Amino acid sequence: DAEITQSPRHKITETGRQVTLACHQTWNHNNMFWYRQDLGHGLRLIHYSYGVHDTNKGEVSDGYSVSRSNTEDLPLTLESAASSQTSVYFCASSESTDTQYFGPGTRLTVL
Amino acid sequence: EDQVTQSPEALRLQEGESSSLNCSYTVSGLRGLFWYRQDPGKGPEFLFTLYSAGEEKEKERLKATLTKKESFLHITAPKPEDSATYLCAVQNYGGSQGNLIFGKGTKLSVKP
Repeated sequence: DAEITQSPRHKITETGRQVTLACHQTWNHNNMFWYRQDLGHGLRLIHYSYGVHDTNKGEVSDGYSVSRSNTEDLPLTLESAASSQTSVYFCASSESTDTQYFGPGTRLTVL
Repeated sequence: EDQVTQSPEALRLQEGESSSLNCSYTVSGLRGLFWYRQDPGKGPEFLFTLYSAGEEKEKERLKATLTKKESFLHITAPKPEDSATYLCAVQNYGGSQGNLIFGKGTKLSVKP
């Protein structure tokens, strides 16, 4: 069955370190998205991609970057981790404007 | 500015006690309204998409309805396994292709 996976599921890092969160989907969807979820804020869009080599900034993109070298993967990089980036991160994918399907999430703690 | 507001923030029901969750939205042009269910420690799970006022969709004990300003998720005779956070999101024509704007969710607890 097609699916979307994220790794690692849990990560603890220190302030200032570079961190990369992986997202892999096997639906062959063109669109991929990264969100963060925090208490009191709901899901907020960080970055998104509509296809290979396409990337766009979302609502809360400062301090994050993505790159899309193939259809299946959209890694999210925190260039220099900050305590404010402690959150749960979700990856999602969709075909065009259709339903977005979410991964299981990565819980990131920045100490 | 596009906005989604869900109410109540939390809802406690007894098993079998029917109720409704509300999702009010302000959007420049609605392409679609989505309902998701999220269990603790997991990603959102898709439930329904509604596209036009008057549309209704059902799945087991859940029924979603849509008007021009809000959507309701009706839960009939809920069971403890319906306990979860329910998320509402809208997609507009004016925004970027496929992007969703989420509400903060309603946390539903169903006691046996």
